[in-house]
Amino acid sequence: GAGVSQSPSNKVTEKGKDVELRCDPISGHTALYWYRQSLGQGLEFLIYFQGNSAPDKSGLPSDRFSAERTGGSVSTLTIQRTQQEDSAVYLCASSPGTWSFPREKLFFGSGTQLSVL
Amino acid sequence: DQQVKQNSPSLSVQEGRISILNCDYTNSMFDYFLWYKKYPAEGPTFLISISSIKDKNEDGRFTVFLNKSAKHLSLHIVPSQPGDSAVYFCAASGINAGGTSYGKLTFGQGTILTVHP
Repeated sequence: GAGVSQSPSNKVTEKGKDVELRCDPISGHTALYWYRQSLGQGLEFLIYFQGNSAPDKSGLPSDRFSAERTGGSVSTLTIQRTQQEDSAVYLCASSPGTWSFPREKLFFGSGTQLSVL
Repeated sequence: DQQVKQNSPSLSVQEGRISILNCDYTNSMFDYFLWYKKYPAEGPTFLISISSIKDKNEDGRFTVFLNKSAKHLSLHIVPSQPGDSAVYFCAASGINAGGTSYGKLTFGQGTILTVHP
């Protein structure tokens, strides 16, 4: 597809279980981001991948959260031992990552609605 | 610490009139500002942006104004249309000391705009 694809669109899990969220960015985009939106809140930055550089993990809320990006394309966000406060919409975005492109014009996926019971 | 604030959770406007959405920020290191629009069950989409070297940027019905001294920006939509009904997010970014974090955006909480026919 032409856009950013995220799966699953909805995930319901029990407290304490691990979950994996997947993001397939736009082909050719070197930059990939994960954000989350909790109820009534703005989008919160989680992690940023740019090419082969070390990711910027400064937004990850705890060590239960991790993400990887394989082959410079698909990314997986993993949340271990989920808690109820992890319930949110997790959004992935990508961008071309080139200097000439308008900065910060991110292309978002539709998100994964995570519900931790 | 909310560095980007949208103090109006919602705004209701009549079709054809002007919609004005406001945003305040606190971090003086921000040098690029954006507005994103989000429909239900979809990811945010880029709408318009402005660099801190400008005080106005216009794109069709959408104009963004930046007042750096007041650390305030606003989005004007003229004329408003029912299809503009969505959540509007203000976002900001800045070059971190020692590197860049393009795409690492700080978002406001969003304003729900409803345009009535």
